[in-house]
Amino acid sequence: EAGVAQSPRYKIIEKRQSVAFWCNPISGHATLYWYQQILGQGPKLLIQFQNNGVVDDSQLPKDRFSAERLKGVDSTLKIQPAKLEDSAVYLCASSRTGALRYTFGSGTRLTVV
Amino acid sequence: EDKVVQSPLSLVVHEGDTVTLNCSYEVTNFRSLLWYKQEKKAPTFLFMLTSSGIEKKSGRLSSILDKKELFSILNITATQTGDSAVYLCAVHETYKYIFGTGTRLKVLA
Repeated sequence: EAGVAQSPRYKIIEKRQSVAFWCNPISGHATLYWYQQILGQGPKLLIQFQNNGVVDDSQLPKDRFSAERLKGVDSTLKIQPAKLEDSAVYLCASSRTGALRYTFGSGTRLTVV
Repeated sequence: EDKVVQSPLSLVVHEGDTVTLNCSYEVTNFRSLLWYKQEKKAPTFLFMLTSSGIEKKSGRLSSILDKKELFSILNITATQTGDSAVYLCAVHETYKYIFGTGTRLKVLA
């Protein structure tokens, strides 16, 4: 089966600019996750979708981050405006409903200068 | 607060050495513990552990879970330079993963 697709692979932006990341999960995976991994740290969950509904967005900085999964398939994560501390790898993962094992995409490395 | 703690944070060994990576956890609703290898960006799955005392093995890698003492270990025998990576421990709590900070392993030729 095809894996979790993410784009772009890399992005460099200036602070206060906006940026968007895209994720297409494995076909049939109803659950989609966005994780933020700052250098030297483990991934931190930003938001979890079940189909097109939000299950958990408690750690999403909602003043600047937004995410959507309108048709319950692919998803976009947006940052507006970006701050220096947003520099990180943004990982998307997906799973079947209730599954214990996720599959991760290759991630987007964001550098804010 | 739920947490996952990994040790050591980093480790440098020579090819052929055996290493043991540790993961301890405190979570409210444990479902499983997973080990991932992260070489560049995407974590790749190694093991999933749900029951105490049952060792999972894959080649030179093995892992075991102790649900009473709330920890897991990942062993790598006869290390190779290709084992150099960050090893992440994640605990599946209710509906999400909680990750540790990872152990960065470097294997020298």
